[in-house]
Amino acid sequence: DGGITQSPKYLFRKEGQNVTLSCEQNLNHDAMYWYRQDPGQGLRLIYYSQIVNDFQKGDIAEGYSVSREKKESFPLTVTSAQKNPTAFYLCASSITSGTRQYEQYFGPGTRLTVT
Amino acid sequence: GNSVTQMEGPVTLSEEAFLTINCTYTATGYPSLFWYVQYPGEGLQLLLKATKADDKGSNKGFEATYRKETTSFHLEKGSVQVSDSAVYFCALSDRNAGNMLTFGGGTRLMVKP
Repeated sequence: DGGITQSPKYLFRKEGQNVTLSCEQNLNHDAMYWYRQDPGQGLRLIYYSQIVNDFQKGDIAEGYSVSREKKESFPLTVTSAQKNPTAFYLCASSITSGTRQYEQYFGPGTRLTVT
Repeated sequence: GNSVTQMEGPVTLSEEAFLTINCTYTATGYPSLFWYVQYPGEGLQLLLKATKADDKGSNKGFEATYRKETTSFHLEKGSVQVSDSAVYFCALSDRNAGNMLTFGGGTRLMVKP
């Protein structure tokens, strides 16, 4: 079955530690995205990548880093510089096109708790 | 810039009631519009979409019509079920913004038996 997988579902870390969240897709999508969701809030874009080896900052990139070495994978590192990292993190992917707007498909999310 | 405004929740309904969740948008270009649904502890699932004015998206009994004159994309369902309890997000995608999604704040729906 095609889809997006995120692991782990729950992640606990101590303050001051970096942590990497995994996102893998087998949909053959070019574009991938990372969002952050806080309780009772909408989604905010952290980083996105429209092609391998290229990525751009979203609205709240400070304290986060990404890589896109393979089409299928877009890992997100939450660094110790992120002041409030506890949140629900969602990865998404989509087809890209110059003219048509395609929907994004989302993974199941990773809930990160930093204490 | 682009923005999406949804009615604040929670919306609490009895089973078989009629549902409307309002969504209005501001966009610089010609956006596509989407409704996503999020069940507790899960990611977002695409519920329906419309890509141009007057298009009606529909799925699982839910409908929404792309109204350019009122910049709206209200979600409706004629008879809700307990299983429809979730958070609903309205979103737009604008080719002028590189296909980025702009989300509304979400509306929580609670359906009671």
